[in-house]
Amino acid sequence: GQSLEQPSEVTAVEGAIVQINCTYQTSGFYGLSWYQQHDGGAPTFLSYNGLDGLEETGRFSSFLSRSDSYGYLLLQELQMKDSASYFCAVLRSARQLTFGSGTQLTVLP
Amino acid sequence: DAGVIQSPRHEVTEMGQEVTLRCKPISGHNSLFWYRQTMMRGLELLIYFNNNVPIDDSGMPEDRFSAKMPNASFSTLKIQPSEPRDSAVYFCASSFDLGGNTEAFFGQGTRLTVV
Repeated sequence: GQSLEQPSEVTAVEGAIVQINCTYQTSGFYGLSWYQQHDGGAPTFLSYNGLDGLEETGRFSSFLSRSDSYGYLLLQELQMKDSASYFCAVLRSARQLTFGSGTQLTVLP
Repeated sequence: DAGVIQSPRHEVTEMGQEVTLRCKPISGHNSLFWYRQTMMRGLELLIYFNNNVPIDDSGMPEDRFSAKMPNASFSTLKIQPSEPRDSAVYFCASSFDLGGNTEAFFGQGTRLTVV
């Protein structure tokens, strides 16, 4: 089978840095993606890691270690608008995209 | 492009009725996904099509659920008969798979309530 584990909730203050971890267990692993979802909205793509290492996109960075089956999303200079759910998602070699259970991030003033 | 278009946005139906959800993917995309989202189970992958062919339907919960993709611009997810436990938000997503990063674009979802 396959599984993805990420914390259910994270709270931080404006301007802070927060890291959301994701561990996965799956066959046919191809890459790890991160998506953001605001309440009542659709998930939107943030980043993708196909190779080990860090990918940076503005205030957001994502990391992957294939040997550890582990990745994280790093959010810097947190803003109130970053309050949302964040999902890691495994892309498998047959091209299915399977999501974790999501991490609810609350940014406090 | 208008993005992934789903209809209806909201659906309320009685138990036992047939429900059909519709999805128009982004033009040129060759992969289409149907997901179901609930508080208890999160975002579940129901079925995945590539070039209009169902590749993985292992997430379809029961025989009551069926999905079709008759052409590259249209897909349906049907529930017959519907049950209260089918109440959820159903998302359709599409992507252009070129062998690397697969950024999936999601529709706004259909909120289904079965009473």
